[in-house]
Amino acid sequence: NAGVTQTPKFQVLKTGQSMTLQCAQDMNHNSMYWYRQDPGMGLRLIYYSASEGTTDKGEVPNGYNVSRLNKREFSLRLESAAPSQTSVYFCASSLTGYNQPQHFGDGTRLSIL
Amino acid sequence: GQQVMQIPQYQHVQEGEDFTTYCNSSTTLSNIQWYKQRPGGHPVFLIQLVKSGEVKKQKRLTFQFGEAKKNSSLHITATQTTDVGTYFCAGREISNDYKLSFGAGTTVTVRA
Repeated sequence: NAGVTQTPKFQVLKTGQSMTLQCAQDMNHNSMYWYRQDPGMGLRLIYYSASEGTTDKGEVPNGYNVSRLNKREFSLRLESAAPSQTSVYFCASSLTGYNQPQHFGDGTRLSIL
Repeated sequence: GQQVMQIPQYQHVQEGEDFTTYCNSSTTLSNIQWYKQRPGGHPVFLIQLVKSGEVKKQKRLTFQFGEAKKNSSLHITATQTTDVGTYFCAGREISNDYKLSFGAGTTVTVRA
């Protein structure tokens, strides 16, 4: 029972390189989310997908793109990485509805030099 | 946009003592959730409060939702080393079902 699986766990990039972070959930959840976590700033929503086939911008979408490949998978792409995107990235999923908790993956620690 | 403020940012507690962390929103919330993140780990859902003035308990943890549904608190009694971590509140606006706005968190360390 894996829950939410993120790959890779760690990555170092050079400025300008591109990268796709992968996320998959096996809980049959409709909604999926990408957050970044920076010291002292909590979790900030980058993009979310309320259901398969839909994606919407969150609080900090600039420099990122997402793809909801199917119900299980939601990927986050950095087209041209910048040092300001150094962060820990968390994927989460939930059932649809305003009272549903979110289930998080273990995170991807991304450093951009 | 909605902002969720959380204080204090850091809490250093002697083992056995009590402490409280507070969460305040600039807008009325439909509900509020609390998460705990252990060092090096990921956020884990603890509890959700929905009703005005609601109080819920989980063993030594007491969660409260304000009457105006704009603030919340987490009170931990008799702190243990297992309580170490960062506690986040996350509020959901009435107008949007999907977005959670997270506070910056309270990082708790415990002195044995």
